[in-house]
Amino acid sequence: GAVVSQHPSRVICKSGTSVKIECRSLDFQATTMFWYRQFPKQSLMLMATSNEGSKATYEQGVEKDKFLINHASLTLSTLTVTSAHPEDSSFYICSARRTSGSSYNEQFFGPGTRLTVL
Amino acid sequence: AQKVTQAQTEISVVEKEDVTLDCVYETRDTTYYLFWYKQPPSGELVFLIRRNSFDEQNEISGRYSWNFQKSTSSFNFTITASQVVDSAVYFCALSPGANSKLTFGKGITLSVRP
Repeated sequence: GAVVSQHPSRVICKSGTSVKIECRSLDFQATTMFWYRQFPKQSLMLMATSNEGSKATYEQGVEKDKFLINHASLTLSTLTVTSAHPEDSSFYICSARRTSGSSYNEQFFGPGTRLTVL
Repeated sequence: AQKVTQAQTEISVVEKEDVTLDCVYETRDTTYYLFWYKQPPSGELVFLIRRNSFDEQNEISGRYSWNFQKSTSSFNFTITASQVVDSAVYFCALSPGANSKLTFGKGITLSVRP
């Protein structure tokens, strides 16, 4: 099956620091990856669509200068939370859309990264 | 605009009871996909089912079954003979046909008591 990993799984940082989260498709190529945010006891909200080799598309209300997305290869997208503040504490989940094979166009989710900003 | 409504927020049942989780959606697309995901306390989303808008056949997978009705824009999920391990948050989601961007419902927290 298709596997998506995220690293780190948990991170605690001080307010004002930047945190980078990696999302990797381990056994398939993904030209498109998605970043979601989930606050406690709430739903997943799409933050941005990450396209390999081009700029990410951000959803309305998401600050692109605060949440930097880089999709430099067909298997890796990174989300950098810059100058993190306590209100950025959340569960960040990525997904990767498979672009070939039997599960073409299907979206596979990573295990999530829990960010806590002190 | 797309919207997914899961009106139930929390459901508590006793083991072996049947339980139905409701999902109502709104979309202007003629082609779309509907999903159900399970999110256990660990947080990782577990894919349960994907259904496209042209396939209204109900589906059964073990203790799980899904009832898709375009006439009422509903895609309900039933767990038969529930078990404690079914305790989780369940999300219904919708995506357009040509794009995998998912719109999630607010989720239903299911607690199955022994």
